Amino acid sequence: DQQVKQNSPSLSVQEGRISILNCDYTNSMFDYFLWYKKYPAEGPTFLISISSIKDKNEDGRFTVFLNKSAKHLSLHIVPSQPGDSAVYFCAASASSNTGKLIFGQGTTLQVKP
Amino acid sequence: EAGVVQSPRYKIIEKKQPVAFWCNPISGHNTLYWYRQNLGQGPELLIRYENEEAVDDSQLPKDRFSAERLKGVDSTLKIQPAELGDSAVYLCASSYPEVYGYTFGSGTRLTVV
Repeated sequence: DQQVKQNSPSLSVQEGRISILNCDYTNSMFDYFLWYKKYPAEGPTFLISISSIKDKNEDGRFTVFLNKSAKHLSLHIVPSQPGDSAVYFCAASASSNTGKLIFGQGTTLQVKP
Repeated sequence: EAGVVQSPRYKIIEKKQPVAFWCNPISGHNTLYWYRQNLGQGPELLIRYENEEAVDDSQLPKDRFSAERLKGVDSTLKIQPAELGDSAVYLCASSYPEVYGYTFGSGTRLTVV
């Protein structure tokens, strides 16, 4: 049972435009969500997170939106840059088990110059 | 600060052979995780340590996998005997207790032939 789903395996956008990566979850106990970025041959690196008490969190070019009723979150990157090309993983956690992150399958973002 | 260090980076072994992976977490991080990432999938938790204690090993295939974290610092993950389906990237991560986002190492890519 895939509790965290990223239904788009890949996304291609033009440099300077907006990238929107989507993530859906099924477990209503999840109350903290994170996005990780992964370059080839490297481990995932933390990008941005959001608590379920918020519906938006912004950090520079990166904004995460959370829609709890729809069990959906999205990551917006504006403007997109070629260096943003990577695999993006959505992850979720429940306060009852803070140590365990459940990851989605990942979305490969390609930003074209 | 130094990141999470894993070795080796790559390992190719024949099936039925044993293999071991090593992880040195960030200094001061009491919590250590081993994740496995299959091709095209997100990381999945194998085991989580709080200091020397394995507090979540429910996803560890205990018939062939074992792990230890002596003195609550470095950790070793072992597979014996390896099967073809064990081919994956094995990621180690560490964090302070009760912290959602943690730091990953670069991983060990295992290929079983």
